Amino acid sequence: GIQVEQSPPDLILQEGANSTLRCNFSDSVNNLQWFHQNPWGQLINLFYIPSGTKQNGRLSATTVATERYSLLYISSSQTTDSGVYFCAVERGYTDKLIFGTGTRLQVFP
Amino acid sequence: NAGVTQTPKFRILKIGQSMTLQCTQDMNHNYMYWYRQDPGMGLKLIYYSVGAGITDKGEVPNGYNVSRSTTEDFPLRLELAAPSQTSVYFCASSYTPSGTMFYEQYFGPGTRLTVT
Repeated sequence: GIQVEQSPPDLILQEGANSTLRCNFSDSVNNLQWFHQNPWGQLINLFYIPSGTKQNGRLSATTVATERYSLLYISSSQTTDSGVYFCAVERGYTDKLIFGTGTRLQVFP
Repeated sequence: NAGVTQTPKFRILKIGQSMTLQCTQDMNHNYMYWYRQDPGMGLKLIYYSVGAGITDKGEVPNGYNVSRSTTEDFPLRLELAAPSQTSVYFCASSYTPSGTMFYEQYFGPGTRLTVT
């Protein structure tokens, strides 16, 4: 099956710093989503982005489908950005997402 | 809209007991999913449903059962609980306007289950 790898596995930042999280996938996909799991465990959908670029406030994401990767950019990080960021993909209209193992982000004041 | 709701929030089971995790969504989504998340790991799909009366297995279905009698509800049944089922369980839903492709998934708050 398709493999989803995220890097880095862990990231520690000071408030105000910028960061880039990467998601590589081993095959072509028709669906790619980014999620944030906050320290209380709640999962929030950040982006539905099978291709192209989207922005939402301080967060933006770019997926280059032909090169099989997606990037999540966090600018001017805040302590509330802490948590785990997951990338998830669907290949071939299987009706289900395959999740990566996540990037754990800690932002300190 | 309440979104996706799950009950209970926490539960402790003894080995061999059974229970049902409840999931309800009020967004009229046709797709619903059950995932489990073990400590420090990503999410693994247990079962999913593309509409009322239709369910299918995910990556880790053994030890679980589901049913989908209505659009809103998608309960997950654990029979003969085992310590390996200790995990956090998430229900999710999504919408497919065309029936061939789904968009964003929305998650419930999770149920933390311990089997001892």
